[in-house]
Parts: sequence; structure tokens; C-alpha cells
Amino acid sequence: GENVEQHPSTLSVQEGDSAVIKCTYSDSASNYFPWYKQELGKRPQLIIDIRSNVGEKKDQRIAVTLNKTAKHFSLHITETQPEDSAVYFCAANTGGFKTIFGAGTRLFVKA
Amino acid sequence: SQTIHQWPATLVQPVGSPLSLECTVEGTSNPNLYWYRQAAGRGLQLLFYSVGIGQISSEVPQNLSASRPQDRQFILSSKKLLLSDSGFYLCAWSAAGTGRIFGNTIYFGEGSWLTVV
Repeated sequence: GENVEQHPSTLSVQEGDSAVIKCTYSDSASNYFPWYKQELGKRPQLIIDIRSNVGEKKDQRIAVTLNKTAKHFSLHITETQPEDSAVYFCAANTGGFKTIFGAGTRLFVKA
Repeated sequence: SQTIHQWPATLVQPVGSPLSLECTVEGTSNPNLYWYRQAAGRGLQLLFYSVGIGQISSEVPQNLSASRPQDRQFILSSKKLLLSDSGFYLCAWSAAGTGRIFGNTIYFGEGSWLTVV
């Protein structure tokens, strides 16, 4: 079955710097890669996603890149702000019923 | 638009007591439904998923069970809670997968905090 590995587990950056979170997946049939942000005590919420037919997608300060050959995808947050502090989860789906999540990255943005 | 409701939001239960968490989805038909558990500071563990009424798939053997008595209702139950059942339980849904090429986005309910004492 699919396995998603996520790094780093914890990331601390200064406000205004960029943050990058990386994930790898094992199943080459995976074709949909969502990213979720979970603030303390709240539910995970979708922030951006990418399908396997594109290599990059951007939405304001966040962007996701996908390398299908290497089975890597990454989340990039530019000009980080304190409100970006949260746990971020990557995930992969093959088009079936199950979405497999990475273990999460706790991002701290220091003011 | 679609919405998902989950309750209760918090509960404290003694070891050995029963559990019932309920979830309903509005604004869509025949959704895929999921129960996830998140231990404190940990990742998202898929417990059960359902693709239709009465169809339940279990991902992790445990003392929990799930049922889907109606198309948009999903219930998580236990007859006797263990201390290790404590955690943040999340119901989620995605659109039905028939005919789709790409995977579906999962949308989470607000979660239920369970503390077993």
C-alpha cells in the first residue's frame, strides 16, 4: 500500500523567511496530493492541492511542487507570518477511497 | 455547499464505559465517510471508512466499531473504552469516487476530544 514520509517533523523559522516541507510517496499510482494545515485544537483544513498532471501550483504565499519521477512533493511558504504556525500534513491518494497522510510537520514562526 | 457536523465536541469517559460519536454530512449524496484518530501531538490514523450504507472497512483492529445506518450518517462506537482510546477523533467525508480519475479531497469535521479516565 501507499506510504508517505514527511520531513522535517519540526521546523522553526524567523518571520519573513521561507519554509519548505518535503514529502515522498511510494505508490507511483498516486495522482492527487493535498496539503492540510491544523491549528492547535482544531481540525485539519485543506490549504492547497496538486494533481499529477501539473508540476507546480501557487496560491499567494504558498506553493506546492511535484516531481513524479522522484515521487517527491513539497510545500513552500514564503514571507512566513506568526499565524502560519501550525502543524502541516501532506497526503497522497491514488484515486481510490483512501488518502494516506504523512506524520506532520510542526512549524514555528518566530516574530 | 457541503457541511459536516460531528458531536459531541468533548467528552470524558471512565474506563470500561461505552462510547458513541456521531457525524452527519449535508449537501451531498453517497459520500465516502471516514473516522480518523489523532493521539496528542501525533499524526492522523485512519480507523474506518465507508463507501455506502452498511459498508464498513476497518483499518486497525481495536475495540472500536463503526456503523453507517443512513447515507450521510456515520457513527463510531465502543462497548468498553480503554485508556489508550483517548484522543482527538475526526469524522471526514469525500465525494463518491465513481468515475473519477484523480483522488478526492477529504474534508474534516470539527473533531471530538475524548479523554478516558
